[in-house]
Amino acid sequence: GAVVSQHPSWVICKSGTSVKIECRSLDFQATTMFWYRQFPKQSLMLMATSNEGSKATYEQGVEKDKFLINHASLTLSTLTVTSAHPEDSSFYICSARGGQGAAMGNSPLHFGNGTRLTVT
Amino acid sequence: EDKVVQSPLSLVVHEGDTVTLNCSYEVTNFRSLLWYKQEKKAPTFLFMLTSSGIEKKSGRLSSILDKKELFSILNITATQTGDSAVYLCAVDTNYGQNFVFGPGTRLSVLP
Repeated sequence: GAVVSQHPSWVICKSGTSVKIECRSLDFQATTMFWYRQFPKQSLMLMATSNEGSKATYEQGVEKDKFLINHASLTLSTLTVTSAHPEDSSFYICSARGGQGAAMGNSPLHFGNGTRLTVT
Repeated sequence: EDKVVQSPLSLVVHEGDTVTLNCSYEVTNFRSLLWYKQEKKAPTFLFMLTSSGIEKKSGRLSSILDKKELFSILNITATQTGDSAVYLCAVDTNYGQNFVFGPGTRLSVLP
């Protein structure tokens, strides 16, 4: 089945530094990947839709310059949290659509395992 | 505005019980409805439903969609403690380009 790999699974960084999170589709090509943020005991909050070869589409309220998204290939999207602050600490999850039925535009989202970011 | 609602938001049962989780939606365009299970990490895919009245089944889990009444249910029979998780419902509204998630149902199964 479709596998999405996300790395790192957890990261601790100091305030003011930047952190890059990678999301890879391992056995399928993903023209579109999604980045979510999740706070404890809350549902997924879509941050942005990442399209291969073009600029990401950000949801309202998500700072583009703060959360840089690059989708340079059909199997890799990256999210960089720039100048991280403690309030950016959260669980970040990527997902991609793929697997059986993808060619017909009818396939489920598959999620990476998430990255827990802690900014001190 | 597209909306997905789940109920109950939380549920506590004992092992062996049967539970029914509900998902209703109001969206402009409906492509499919998906169920996910989220434990400590990211959600794992359970079912994708596109047609009304056709039950999908996997072990003790089953799900069905009613496109006329705009809802889906997820049934879990003979629950086990390992079923404890948040169950998310999502609707694909644009051929895989947009998914609207519900708030999730937090299920706790006690031994």
